[in-house]
Formats: sequence, C-alpha cells, structure tokens
Amino acid sequence: EDKVVQSPLSLVVHEGDTVTLNCSYEVTNFRSLLWYKQEKKAPTFLFMLTSSGIEKKSGRLSSILDKKELFSILNITATQTGDSAIYLCAVEKGGGQGGSEKLVFGKGTKLTVNP
Amino acid sequence: NAGVMQNPRHLVRRRGQEARLRCSPMKGHSHVYWYRQLPEEGLKFMVYLQKENIIDESGMPKERFSAEFPKEGPSILRIQQVVRGDSAAYFCASSPYRLYGYTFGSGTRLTVV
Repeated sequence: EDKVVQSPLSLVVHEGDTVTLNCSYEVTNFRSLLWYKQEKKAPTFLFMLTSSGIEKKSGRLSSILDKKELFSILNITATQTGDSAIYLCAVEKGGGQGGSEKLVFGKGTKLTVNP
Repeated sequence: NAGVMQNPRHLVRRRGQEARLRCSPMKGHSHVYWYRQLPEEGLKFMVYLQKENIIDESGMPKERFSAEFPKEGPSILRIQQVVRGDSAAYFCASSPYRLYGYTFGSGTRLTVV
C-alpha cells in the first residue's frame, strides 16, 4: 500500500528560528513529490521535485529530494508568524493497473510560529 | 481568472439527508479531481473526472457516493444518506491536463449532525 509519512506532526517555534520538515514515502510508480502550504482554505503549491539532489528555493523556503532514500525535506529559515500553517507533502503517482495518476498525501506537519 | 470555486463553503446535514457539493474548475481546465480530508488525516483521493467521463473512481466508497462532471456546469459530488463519518473537508482540484498545474479550491466543510 502506498504511504507518505510526514514528521513531526506538529512543531512550535519562535520567530526567527529555522525549521526542517520531513517527508518519507513508499509509493509505486513515483513521478514527483510536491509540497503544499495549507492555511484555513485551499492548499497552495510550494514546490515540485522530480530529481534527486537538486534544491528548489523560493525566498526563505527550500526543498530537496532524495530518490534513493525515498525522502524529502522542506526548510524554512528565519520563520515568521505568517508561516504558521499545515505543510502537506504529496507524491504524484503514475497511472497503471491501480488507476490513473493521482496524488498520495501525508497527514501534514502543523507548524506554529510564535512571536 | 477566478480560481477553482467550490460551494457551499460549509454544509450541515442531518443523518440520512443528501449532500451535494459543487466544483467549478478554472477556465480552460477540463480535468477535475476530488479529495477528502478527514480530521487529523491527509487528503485522500476520491475520483478523477473529465468532461462527461469518470476516469478513475477507485477512491470513492462503493455506496452512497457518486460524482459527475457534465458537459455544461460544475462538477458535482453527491453523498446520499449521509452518516456522521462523512463529516470532512472535501476539496476539488482542476488542471488543464492530467495532473499538470493542479489548483485546489477552498473546500467544502461538511458536518453531519
């Protein structure tokens, strides 16, 4: 059965701290790994990773994928209160006998950044 | 260009009633995906539709749940005879091609009382 496991499930930090969120996966027919930020509404896209070892960066956020060890990390430096959200990791699974392409999500990491 | 529009945002139903959730994809998007998020759980795939076709419904419960995406109008997720366990957030996503440029709506939070 396909699995995406995120850790920690929740994290409380102070503004200015650096955080690392983890995502490990066991998914057949892997195509890519995606990170989303979910506040009280729609998950919003952060990164899509397809190749090992290539860091993607956007401002204070960065992410990297290790396809050999089957995990990804999301780093946030100099955290701000606006970073408080649930961060979702999802693996894009290719189509095949099990059906069409789809996303398999982890449970998310709830990040709280206190002032 | 409006995003993916879901309505209603919140829906309260009594046990045994029907729930109808609507999703209007982004303009130009012909692929629609429904996901369900139970409390303390990640999003779980339910169904993938193109206009007038169900492509993959492997994540849908076999009974009481159905989905459609007609030629005209929004995609509808229908839950008949709702039970407390159906209480969840239901998200719709759309894309112009299969799993490309996936955009989520804000979700419908269904509460069954």
